[in-house]
Amino acid sequence: GEDVEQSLFLSVREGDSSVINCTYTDSSSTYLYWYKQEPGAGLQLLTYIFSNMDMKQDQRLTVLLNKKDKHLSLRIADTQTGDSAIYFCAEIPPGTYKYIFGTGTRLKVLA
Amino acid sequence: GAGVSQSPSNKVTEKGKDVELRCDPISGHTALYWYRQSLGQGLEFLIYFQGNSAPDKSGLPSDRFSAERTGGSVSTLTIQRTQQEDSAVYLCASSYGTSNTGELFFGEGSRLTVL
Repeated sequence: GEDVEQSLFLSVREGDSSVINCTYTDSSSTYLYWYKQEPGAGLQLLTYIFSNMDMKQDQRLTVLLNKKDKHLSLRIADTQTGDSAIYFCAEIPPGTYKYIFGTGTRLKVLA
Repeated sequence: GAGVSQSPSNKVTEKGKDVELRCDPISGHTALYWYRQSLGQGLEFLIYFQGNSAPDKSGLPSDRFSAERTGGSVSTLTIQRTQQEDSAVYLCASSYGTSNTGELFFGEGSRLTVL
């Protein structure tokens, strides 16, 4: 499809793991990104993965990439209340600088 | 400043009025983007500037929208004859343009409310 798809909401308890999923559009996209938007703020790059990788781990964050299914996921271990935010996945199709963002997943962490 | 700066942070206007939104990117960043974020929607691409090249205006929703980037730095997004459906947060972002990671640095946005 034309849109980068994400589920709109996710609610988890503090200390649990969160998994945010994304289906992107172009299997040729070289880099895939996760951005985080805290209330009242702009987006901030959280992590990214190069398309020749299946997995990338960065402290509490694990990114999984399934190129065949054009599926990207972000796992946050030991989720904290400070992780409450909107998470956007994004891609840049080859030959363009036009980032395509998903609809964003609003993560709510319950104490 | 260290980051992308946008002004005003909030703007309330009446339907039919013109508005100007300003973006001051990070010094040295050659690429500048405008996105629109509506409630429950993702980020909608509006326009992209890269150095001295002609801008990519393919995301502008109508001819009431226009943008300029003067001297390769500050950008202004102008919305003429505003409509209620223009209400949204307008986000500006900049990047080095040729960075391998392609990281975008976002401002905090300008929230536009059209009454």
